[in-house]
Amino acid sequence: GAGVSQSPSNKVTEKGKDVELRCDPISGHTALYWYRQRLGQGLEFLIYFQGNSAPDKSGLPSDRFSAERTGESVSTLTIQRTQQEDSAVYLCASSPTGYYGYTFGSGTRLTVV
Amino acid sequence: RKEVEQDPGPFNVPEGATVAFNCTYSNSASQSFFWYRQDCRKEPKLLMSVYSSGNEDGRFTAQLNRASQYISLLIRDSKLSDSATYLCVVNSNAGNMLTFGGGTRLMVKP
Repeated sequence: GAGVSQSPSNKVTEKGKDVELRCDPISGHTALYWYRQRLGQGLEFLIYFQGNSAPDKSGLPSDRFSAERTGESVSTLTIQRTQQEDSAVYLCASSPTGYYGYTFGSGTRLTVV
Repeated sequence: RKEVEQDPGPFNVPEGATVAFNCTYSNSASQSFFWYRQDCRKEPKLLMSVYSSGNEDGRFTAQLNRASQYISLLIRDSKLSDSATYLCVVNSNAGNMLTFGGGTRLMVKP
């Protein structure tokens, strides 16, 4: 597609439920990134995929968070047993390489009630 | 020390003013530099890359000082529509990874 597509755009879930967020990167972009942004805060790196290499998971805040990507296509970020502190906008970005900057999707706004 | 540091602001300026933002980075091996703009409740968007010789795009001028590990963004003739948060972004040692500063908030008033 023309840009990075994320779904859903908004998600309200009850505390303790699992949620799955989806990201469709720009076609041909080998790198895919997930970030979290809490209200009024900066970007918090979560995970990075580069082609078929092992992902860089160093930013995942706990073992409740996991992400998958098949090849250079869609990625899903899963949050298990959601907590209120997980409420944030989850942003996905893709790039051909980091030297050219990222293109971000419009994000998924997650609210845990 | 944070990898990329910015003054969070806010910078409150009148329309037509010239405003400058600064940013410092800690990783001397960094190779790529960018300014992103983020509007309220929107995703960050690439404003401009920053080249070693400095570069200009209309009212926006970016400068890089590798010796001091310092990046700047100058906005001339500020418009109301320039109101946003400006993110300084630097690539990491890993090449494909970008590190984002916390952002500088600009508010342009009539």
